[in-house]
Amino acid sequence: GDSVTQMEGPVTLSEEAFLTINCTYTATGYPSLFWYVQYPGEGLQLLLKATKADDKGSNKGFEATYRKETTSFHLEKGSVQVSDSAVYFCALSGNQFYFGTGTSLTVIP
Amino acid sequence: EAGVAQSPRYKIIEKRQSVAFWCNPISGHATLYWYQQILGQGPKLLIQFQNNGVVDDSQLPKDRFSAERLKGVDSTLKIQPAKLEDSAVYLCASMLEPGASYNEQFFGPGTRLTVL
Repeated sequence: GDSVTQMEGPVTLSEEAFLTINCTYTATGYPSLFWYVQYPGEGLQLLLKATKADDKGSNKGFEATYRKETTSFHLEKGSVQVSDSAVYFCALSGNQFYFGTGTSLTVIP
Repeated sequence: EAGVAQSPRYKIIEKRQSVAFWCNPISGHATLYWYQQILGQGPKLLIQFQNNGVVDDSQLPKDRFSAERLKGVDSTLKIQPAKLEDSAVYLCASMLEPGASYNEQFFGPGTRLTVL
């Protein structure tokens, strides 16, 4: 069945460091891919999405490219800020919505 | 535009008791989802409604969990009786277009359930 495998955390970075959170997927067909973010005490929010191969989703300085050949959708940001501290979830939409286990990011000043 | 509303935000009960959660989706959203998010894990889909009909409830533990969306708007999820392993955050989400995989799900703040 469809699934999402996400890099385990927690991840701790200094402000302005480069961020990569790995996400790979298994799916039949052509799913859409998403990154959701959950800030402390808040609900899940869509961060970015890509609906087909080679699409790049971007938002708030974050980017992810839908790579069909490597079945990946890694999240990147060139320079993280303290306000980026949150839990990040990779997800795919196939027959159902499937979420990864989440990666906790803490950015220290 | 108002977001997805959920209540209560927190609930503490003893095992074998009953509990109910309420969700009001974004106005006009036909699709409604209930997820269970256990600490340290990603959300797991419990049930998906399309208007007032059930699309997918394959992962809903039907011996103790039930959900309804009688008028195709707000929804209630019930657990009866609760077990310790039901301690989790219960998330409600809604989506505008039915069956469109590229559409965004909008999530409510969740209800944190603790079963003692």
